[in-house]
Amino acid sequence: AQKITQTQPGMFVQEKEAVTLDCTYDTSDQSYGLFWYKQPSSGEMIFLIYQGSYDEQNATEGRYSLNFQKARKSANLVISASQLGDSAMYFCAMREGRTSYDKVIFGPGTSLSVIP
Amino acid sequence: NAGVTQTPKFRILKIGQSMTLQCAQDMNHNYMYWYRQDPGMGLKLIYYSVGAGITDKGEVPNGYNVSRSTTEDFPLRLELAAPSQTSVYFCASSVGYGYTFGSGTRLTVV
Repeated sequence: AQKITQTQPGMFVQEKEAVTLDCTYDTSDQSYGLFWYKQPSSGEMIFLIYQGSYDEQNATEGRYSLNFQKARKSANLVISASQLGDSAMYFCAMREGRTSYDKVIFGPGTSLSVIP
Repeated sequence: NAGVTQTPKFRILKIGQSMTLQCAQDMNHNYMYWYRQDPGMGLKLIYYSVGAGITDKGEVPNGYNVSRSTTEDFPLRLELAAPSQTSVYFCASSVGYGYTFGSGTRLTVV
């Protein structure tokens, strides 16, 4: 069973607009963590934001925020004021369990294109 | 601070050849990982290690081997390369929830 679902293979957004990238997950653990990574065309993986399952507030990092809806098992990434440099693949990922060595599972990714 | 260093960046192998992908980190992280990323796909875990001398299989370990003799190094060995192993390979290390990735090795098996 797929644990991380990203239903939007490709997205377009106008520069300076906000965009939401969807992510739903499946786990029976009570303790887990959710991540978003950015992969530009150069290929490196860049950590963006993290949300713990027990965190009461939604995580924010600069222009990135994570809309965490635990009951719906969704962890959508919101990018405000899109910039041309935001064009990239975006991966949602989940770590189940408490300990650091629990494996991180990645979703299939969403390709975001920012239009001038 | 170099972070996670992977070598080589690119490699072409013939079917049946073997090679070792190198990964080194200088952050004293105990946890290290090898992922592969096939075209248009997310990352899949091959092997991981929770410390020197300890390794375990991930989702797609067949055709690969690893060792972890030191905290710094986590090489990935491909024996008898097959076209299905054509992929981009990422090494990562972590402490807490933050993963640091290397820049990747693009491997083509022909």
